[in-house]
Amino acid sequence: EAGVTQFPSHSVIEKGQTVTLRCDPISGHDNLYWYRRVMGKEIKFLLHFVKESKQDESGMPNNRFLAERTGGTYSTLKVQPAELEDSGVYFCASSQDWTDSYEQYFGPGTRLTVT
Amino acid sequence: DAKTTQPTSMDCAEGRAANLPCNHSTISGNEYVYWYRQIHSQGPQYIIHGLKNNETNEMASLIITEDRKSSTLILPHATLRDTAVYYCIVRVNFGNEKLTFGTGTRLTIIP
Repeated sequence: EAGVTQFPSHSVIEKGQTVTLRCDPISGHDNLYWYRRVMGKEIKFLLHFVKESKQDESGMPNNRFLAERTGGTYSTLKVQPAELEDSGVYFCASSQDWTDSYEQYFGPGTRLTVT
Repeated sequence: DAKTTQPTSMDCAEGRAANLPCNHSTISGNEYVYWYRQIHSQGPQYIIHGLKNNETNEMASLIITEDRKSSTLILPHATLRDTAVYYCIVRVNFGNEKLTFGTGTRLTIIP
């Protein structure tokens, strides 16, 4: 069974540009999460999808970040325009059940560098 | 979610048992204790979780004190591949499902 995949693995962009990160969860997982670790800080939750609906987006830092999950399958996280402080590693995770979920499977992350 | 406290770093000799402590004195009755680890350049990996009973799986054992204010993750025979940052997280098992990562314990396995 394929795990959570993320694309690209690395992205280097200039300040003010737009970047879109993609996450493909494990097939059949209704729950999809985005987290990020910015330089020197802890891993922080961004948002949680249940199928195509945003269940919790309390961790989204500002309106420059837009997450979508059309059709309840893969998800994208767009940063527009990117700022220097957005640099870090963005992780996606998925889990299977709603009321009894416990294990979140993480992807390898996308390392974003904004110059 | 309750806050956890872990030592910043620990060393363990290869082949020995690694015992990683975690304090969670403000844990609520419906909160579980989870352990994840992050090996360098990889995403976090689930290890084990428990509510109040001790748990064991193929990776590790989890010992939770009777008052649930602390727990210990045990890697019975540590290998070099167990070198990682280990996170102890407490959270309810439904509803608010996000994981709140702290700073974790950097475990180094010494050859």
